[in-house]
Amino acid sequence: QVQVQESGPGLVRPSETLSLTCSVSGGAITSHYWNWIRQPPGKGLEWIGYIVYHGGSTNYSPSLKSRVTLSMDTSTNQFSLRLTSVTAADTAVYYCARGDWSSWLDPWGQGTLVTVSS
Amino acid sequence: QSALTQPPSASGSPGQSVTISCTGTSSDVGGYNFVSWYQQHPGKAPKLMIYDVSKRPSGVPDRFSGSKSGNTASLTVSGLQAEDEADYYCNSHAGTNNYVVFGGGTKLTVL
Repeated sequence: QVQVQESGPGLVRPSETLSLTCSVSGGAITSHYWNWIRQPPGKGLEWIGYIVYHGGSTNYSPSLKSRVTLSMDTSTNQFSLRLTSVTAADTAVYYCARGDWSSWLDPWGQGTLVTVSS
Repeated sequence: QSALTQPPSASGSPGQSVTISCTGTSSDVGGYNFVSWYQQHPGKAPKLMIYDVSKRPSGVPDRFSGSKSGNTASLTVSGLQAEDEADYYCNSHAGTNNYVVFGGGTKLTVL
């Protein structure tokens, strides 16, 4: 049974880069689509993007595309998120999740709260 | 790519049925049979309840069902139970760019 778990700093300074890693167990990241989703406090879910092993393909939300980079490391079975030039508006719980071309997302990690503040 | 439209709230008494709608466009909900629904309890991660419009993952009670007509998908919860009180989100495959788009969420209250 596949499980995913987010890790990374809980506090990032404004204008700096947010970096998170998602560790996958119980299955290889060489199949499926690997997604990042975020949820600002008290608000709804926002899809950030996904990465696919085959061809190293990525796809990003148009609203974040200029600041987001996803990557994956098959040797550690992990994939990562980098979000540059963060502001307070990027404060959110960040989730990673396995997905598919049809856009279902399962399972989800427990989420990690990232606060952007000086 | 715009968010899908969900009602902010819905409610029902124990044992009743409630339906939550998710309205998009022909570029997302209406164009593909790829709508999913998620249940999120406070402080918890979302849980997949329905995928591909009407399919239930293993372990999800058959009280949860999904359907679609045109650009609107629906989640129906039958035989409401107290533990069904949660936020529900829909999402869909979107457009030729293969984006993923979410609805704004619906808070379901069991009266």
